[in-house]
Order: sequence, then C-alpha cells, then structure tokens
Amino acid sequence: QAHLVQSGAEVKKPGASVRVSCKASGYTFTDYYIHWVRQAPGQGLEWMGWINPKTGDTDYVQRFQGRVTITRDTSISTAYMELSSLISDDTAVYYCARDAYVAPFLVLWGRGTLVTVSS
Amino acid sequence: DIQMTQSPSTLSASVGDRVTITCRASQNINSWLAWYQHKAGEAPKLLIYKASSLEGGVPSRFSGSRSGTEFTLTISSLQPDDFATYYCQQYNNYPSNFGQGTKLEIK
Repeated sequence: QAHLVQSGAEVKKPGASVRVSCKASGYTFTDYYIHWVRQAPGQGLEWMGWINPKTGDTDYVQRFQGRVTITRDTSISTAYMELSSLISDDTAVYYCARDAYVAPFLVLWGRGTLVTVSS
Repeated sequence: DIQMTQSPSTLSASVGDRVTITCRASQNINSWLAWYQHKAGEAPKLLIYKASSLEGGVPSRFSGSRSGTEFTLTISSLQPDDFATYYCQQYNNYPSNFGQGTKLEIK
C-alpha cells in the first residue's frame, strides 16, 4: 500500500528556514510527481509547487518563487520542501502529495507537517 | 490565474440529507476538476477527478457533474463520516489552485 510519511512539527523564528521531508513507500518514487500544498490556520489549501522525482525538474507558484526549494533524494525515495525567510504568515500545515501521472490531481497525501513561525 | 469560487462556505445538514456543493471557474477549465474531502488532522482525500470520475474506494453516494464552468459535488444521502470540509481543485491551467472550501456541519 502506498504511503507518504512526513517529518515532524517544527517551530522556527522569523527569518529562519525550514525543511520538511516526505518519504514515499509502496510505489515507484520516480514514477509520479510530488506536489507541496499548505494550509494556514483557518484558511484553504494553497498549492506551492512540484518536483518530478525522475528528473529533478521543479516548478513553483509565483508568490513563493525565490523562497521555496523542492528537492529529492531518489536513493531514499524522499522529497523535501525548504522554505526560507520565514514570516508569521508562513505558519501552516504543509502537505506533500503524489499526483496521478496523467494529470496533476492529487491521489495520495501525507498527513501534513505543522510549521509554526514565532519569535 | 483562474479563480475558483466555491459555495456555500458552510453547509448545515442532517444524516440522510442530499447535499450539493458548487464550484465555479472564472474561465473554461474543460472537465479538469477534482474534489477532495478533508478532515481536521488527517490527510485530504481525493473523491472525484475529471469532474465526474469517482476515485476507487469512494462510496457511490458521492458524485460530480459539470455544466460549462460550474461544477457540483453531490452527496446523495449524508452519512456521519461525511461531515468534513470539501475543496475543489482546477488543474486545467497553471498554476493549479483550489476553491476556498465548504465546511459541511451537522445540523
């Protein structure tokens, strides 16, 4: 059975960076794109970007350009999302999700990682 | 960017009710729309893709439809497990984005 297991909650100070990991199991990691989506408290879902684990190609939503970096380590079937220059508005639950290969709807999700930005 | 307007934002209903949630796209997205169910503290769950295709393992009481740029998610007979927040997502245009969500509450 396929799973995405994310790293644990983080507390960061404004201006710091955070890296969240997403380990895939139960399927071939390089066959499907991994997307990152976040949900701030009381808000809806916000798509951030994706990575093609096979090639390492990435794409990011314009508003996160320059602050977000998505990478992967195929040897351990893990994707990473790093967000820099954190501000309080970055406090959110960050989800990784696997798409359907044929289209970018999200078939398999991690349980989320809470990132709290507070001084 | 395409705007996805989801309504209502909150819906109160009872077990056994038939409910409909609507998502309207600001421009044509063909049928490239998905619906998700999200419960607090859990991973979101894909229900419907390509506007009306039911994801495997999802109960048949869930259905989706499209009329032009308006999309609907219908739950034919609400069950206790269905009380959650529902989101639509368009994936026709870059960047993909979600509706604001509909919280389905017990009346």
